[in-house]
Amino acid sequence: NAGVTQTPKFRILKIGQSMTLQCTQDMNHNYMYWYRQDPGMGLKLIYYSVGAGITDKGEVPNGYNVSRSTTEDFPLRLELAAPSQTSVYFCASSRGPSGSANEQFFGPGTRLTVL
Amino acid sequence: AQSVTQPDIHITVSEGASLELRCNYSYGATPYLFWYVQSPGQGLQLLLKYFSGDTLVQGIKGFEAEFKRSQSSFNLRKPSVHWSDAAEYFCAVGADDYKLSFGAGTTVTVRA
Repeated sequence: NAGVTQTPKFRILKIGQSMTLQCTQDMNHNYMYWYRQDPGMGLKLIYYSVGAGITDKGEVPNGYNVSRSTTEDFPLRLELAAPSQTSVYFCASSRGPSGSANEQFFGPGTRLTVL
Repeated sequence: AQSVTQPDIHITVSEGASLELRCNYSYGATPYLFWYVQSPGQGLQLLLKYFSGDTLVQGIKGFEAEFKRSQSSFNLRKPSVHWSDAAEYFCAVGADDYKLSFGAGTTVTVRA
C-alpha cells in the first residue's frame, strides 16, 4: 500500500512552459485534493474532486486545470507557467469529506520552480 | 467560513523540555480539528484529530491536544521533546463539507 504518490519530486520550468503534476492513490479514496504551499502561508487549496469525473475549484485555481478520469489518478496541469507558480505542490486524498472528520493523506510533494 | 490562526511562527525548545503550540480557530459550530506535522522535505502526517467526545485527544509520537470551546483553541502539547520533533506543525479545521483550512504553520527547532 503506497498511499499517495506524486511525480516528479522536483522540476524547473521556464516561463510559458506547461507541465502536468501526477498524483495517484491506492486507497480507493473518493476525495482528492491539490494544495500549494508557500513559505509562511500554510496550504492553499487549488482544486479538489469528490469522485471520478467530478472536480471543482478551491481557493487559488487560476493558472491550473485538473481532470479525474479514474478514482486513482488526479493530475494537475499548469498551462503557461509563471514565476508566481513557484511553490511546493501537495496532493492529498481522503475517504470522505473532511467536514466529517475524515483524515486527509498527503503525498510527498513536488517542488516546482519557474524561471 | 472557517479559519485557523497559529500565533507562533517559530518556537525553539531544548531537548527534553515541554512544548506547546497554539492554535485558534474560527467557526460557528463544533469544528473538526486536526494537527499535522511536516518533517523537512516530506509530506504532511496526521498527529491527531478531534471531532467529538473527550476534549483531550491523544495522538502519535507522544503528542496530545486539548479542545477548549470557550477559547476557540486546540493547542498541541508534548511533555518532553526529542530532537526528531524538529519540524513544521500545522493546525487545520474541517467544516461544512470537503474543505480543510490550514494555519500558516509553526516551525519547531530543537536545541541540544
